[in-house]
Amino acid sequence: AQKVTQAQTEISVVEKEDVTLDCVYETRDTTYYLFWYKQPPSGELVFLIRRNSFDEQNEISGRYSWNFQKSTSSFNFTITASQVVDSAVYFCALSMASNDYKLSFGAGTTVTVRA
Amino acid sequence: GAGVSQSPRYKVAKRGQDVALRCDPISGHVSLFWYQQALGQGPEFLTYFQNEAQLDKSGLPSDRFFAERPEGSVSTLKIQRTQQEDSAVYLCASSPPGGPRVGEAFFGQGTRLTVV
Repeated sequence: AQKVTQAQTEISVVEKEDVTLDCVYETRDTTYYLFWYKQPPSGELVFLIRRNSFDEQNEISGRYSWNFQKSTSSFNFTITASQVVDSAVYFCALSMASNDYKLSFGAGTTVTVRA
Repeated sequence: GAGVSQSPRYKVAKRGQDVALRCDPISGHVSLFWYQQALGQGPEFLTYFQNEAQLDKSGLPSDRFFAERPEGSVSTLKIQRTQQEDSAVYLCASSPPGGPRVGEAFFGQGTRLTVV
């Protein structure tokens, strides 16, 4: 079985501050995928990033960056220079390569960016 | 429209009533997924279709839940004899050919079901 834990329930920051969201996962599979999604008030889940278990290279995409560390089973996500439009619930998720149709989500972290 | 469309957006049902939730996936998308999201929680997997075939329904909470996709396009999630614990947002997603790749799927805005 797999499990995703997002320990932070809510984060509030002022515009232009950086925001780092924590995610810890559990799985027995050796090949898996990790994701971050954004859920704005309108309700739809928006795909942000995906990482394969065999690729621990950390990258930056625009204002988003992530830190994947297999040794600690963590997949943290950072928004740099936050903007009001970044206010949303952010979910970390995990899927197995063996059944790549089933996502296991964390409980989400609500990010509020104040002007 | 270009995205995944779900209807109705909101549904209030009396306990014991049957409901049907509709999902129109993006045209040409082969894989379709249903997820249930309780208030303050992350979504949980319900079921998965590849075209008209329901390949996994292990997430359906009880036999009161039934999903179909008879022509491999529109899907309907039906809940019989609704109970208060069924209150949640029901999300539908679809992904293009080439494998399930749920992680790359496009999600609809969901149907918020409230059972009173």
